[in-house]
Amino acid sequence: GQQVMQIPQYQHVQEGEDFTTYCNSSTTLSNIQWYKQRPGGHPVFLIQLVKSGEVKKQKRLTFQFGEAKKNSSLHITATQTTDVGTYFCARGGSNYKLTFGKGTLLTVNP
Amino acid sequence: EAGVAQSPRYKIIEKRQSVAFWCNPISGHATLYWYQQILGQGPKLLIQFQNNGVVDDSQLPKDRFSAERLKGVDSTLKIQPAKLEDSAVYLCASSFAGDSPLHFGNGTRLTVT
Repeated sequence: GQQVMQIPQYQHVQEGEDFTTYCNSSTTLSNIQWYKQRPGGHPVFLIQLVKSGEVKKQKRLTFQFGEAKKNSSLHITATQTTDVGTYFCARGGSNYKLTFGKGTLLTVNP
Repeated sequence: EAGVAQSPRYKIIEKRQSVAFWCNPISGHATLYWYQQILGQGPKLLIQFQNNGVVDDSQLPKDRFSAERLKGVDSTLKIQPAKLEDSAVYLCASSFAGDSPLHFGNGTRLTVT
């Protein structure tokens, strides 16, 4: 099936540092969704991007959709310990099928 | 609104036994998904329902897995017989319509010994 590749797989930062995770596809994405999963928890929806070049912000989180709609990124400014978790991107497909990437595990050292 | 309900929360079985999981989606959500999440990996779609019809089951191991959503509301996922590699968290999710965000339940953690 059509996959999305996420990099990096792991990221460890000091509290206050910035963090970015990238989601890449070899084919054009109709839309991309981002989810966060806390350790031991379930994925929780963060944002959906649909338009080419779209940028959306949620407090310290900035989401971007590439101009060619083949990549997306999530940037967190000044990380906090509450940001710990795995961040997944998921591509929307036909019949609204949602395919998840492998995720980026973020750990934050206080 | 009440979230997606799943039960049981945990299940431990021996290989070759059978097991069933139950999911009650958010009221009014037409689309229901079952995902399998192996430790350290992203959720993998097993089956997707639209009301009581199957939209996608291309990654469901049909020789051992089955799922139903008879009245377009609750759903059950069954594994028979279980294998060691079925050890995972089984997540149920629902969405209102189309490409609406998915709401996940807390999942069922299955351990096959």
